[in-house]
Amino acid sequence: AQKVTQAQTEISVVEKEDVTLDCVYETRDTTYYLFWYKQPPSGELVFLIRRNSFDEQNEISGRYSWNFQKSTSSFNFTITASQVVDSAVYFCALGGGRTTNDYKLSFGAGTTVTVRA
Amino acid sequence: DAGITQSPRYKITETGRQVTLMCHQTWSHSYMFWYRQDLGHGLRLIYYSAAADITDKGEVPDGYVVSRSKTENFPLTLESATRSQTSVYFCASSHQSGEQFFGPGTRLTVL
Repeated sequence: AQKVTQAQTEISVVEKEDVTLDCVYETRDTTYYLFWYKQPPSGELVFLIRRNSFDEQNEISGRYSWNFQKSTSSFNFTITASQVVDSAVYFCALGGGRTTNDYKLSFGAGTTVTVRA
Repeated sequence: DAGITQSPRYKITETGRQVTLMCHQTWSHSYMFWYRQDLGHGLRLIYYSAAADITDKGEVPDGYVVSRSKTENFPLTLESATRSQTSVYFCASSHQSGEQFFGPGTRLTVL
């Protein structure tokens, strides 16, 4: 079975601080995908990134960066110099495994990030 | 406009009534999904579909029915609504690379 754990329920930071969201996953598949989604207070779910299991390169997109470590089954997300607009719930997800072959995603419980001005 | 839409966005109904939530996508994605989101439970998969006329149960299917006669539509029906089905419902679609794109959600209240 696939499982995603986001151990941090809530994180509160002051603007301009960096914040790192942890994501640990479990899967028996050798090929899979990892994802991060953002859910701002307005409620929509926004896709942020997809990472293939065979690509362990870290990725940076503006103030966002992702650290994928297959050895520790982790896919952590860092927001650098946080801003109030980063306040949201962030979900990590796992899916696309060959074993399941049905493209369902397993979501973590989410981490609520609050950035205070 | 291209994308994924849900209707209605808000719905109030009474216990025992039948309710249908609509989902429409314009990307021709093969896969479509229905989730419910509740405080303390995160996102839970209700039903999903790999293609037209192919549907399967997710984690919490009881009390729900789906159909998919056309690739672009994936309606979710609550046959006899209960208070426990008060929730925010999200529809999503994806192509084979796996990332799912979500609709704006339907907030359903069952009185």
